[in-house]
Amino acid sequence: EADIYQTPRYLVIGTGKKITLECSQTMGHDKMYWYQQDPGMELHLIHYSYGVNSTEKGDLSSESTVSRIRTEHFPLTLESARPSHTSQYLCASSEWAGGNEQYFGPGTRLTVT
Amino acid sequence: SQQGEEDPQALSIQEGENATMNCSYKTSINNLQWYRQNSGRGLVHLILIRSNEREKHSGRLRVTLDTSKKSSSLLITASRAADTASYFCATASPGGTSYGKLTFGQGTILTVHP
Repeated sequence: EADIYQTPRYLVIGTGKKITLECSQTMGHDKMYWYQQDPGMELHLIHYSYGVNSTEKGDLSSESTVSRIRTEHFPLTLESARPSHTSQYLCASSEWAGGNEQYFGPGTRLTVT
Repeated sequence: SQQGEEDPQALSIQEGENATMNCSYKTSINNLQWYRQNSGRGLVHLILIRSNEREKHSGRLRVTLDTSKKSSSLLITASRAADTASYFCATASPGGTSYGKLTFGQGTILTVHP
């Protein structure tokens, strides 16, 4: 079982609200990732980080932002949620930059009404 | 652009039968990985095969990789109802700005009937 946690697991929120999805890992991994996944579809990388104070945008454009102030913590923030942000958000981490296996959290299912 | 494409999109079999899923990709890779996702959950890593390997086994799983055809297959032998899940292939880029990132396929939904 991977030691990577996401909160909340489910979130239903109104349009225009600011939200932060939390992701923490206790494995000391340098690399962390955020993916967006619609039901029954593939994962799309939206943000990643190679270590503290390192953040990069992924392959899929996203209005969300991330920060990496501590190795174990990689929160994702939406300043103003919209219905188009409704999706599942998955956080993952990996040990080093060689394409090693990624460990995933359980995901946050976000619904914006 | 989509790197990994999987087929079939859905597969339904009886317990005890074998399940084979295929993955094709477009660009060169460092390695290819297979993951399982139970409904509404995160992904779990199953197996990794490097670009210089042709076949790998792990328990009831067998993965092959053909870099000349840019394709891989995942075989689950003697399937169980608990194997019911979505299975994704993911390719790791060999280097450059994409080093270490994974690109996921669309997935195959496997249903194993008891």
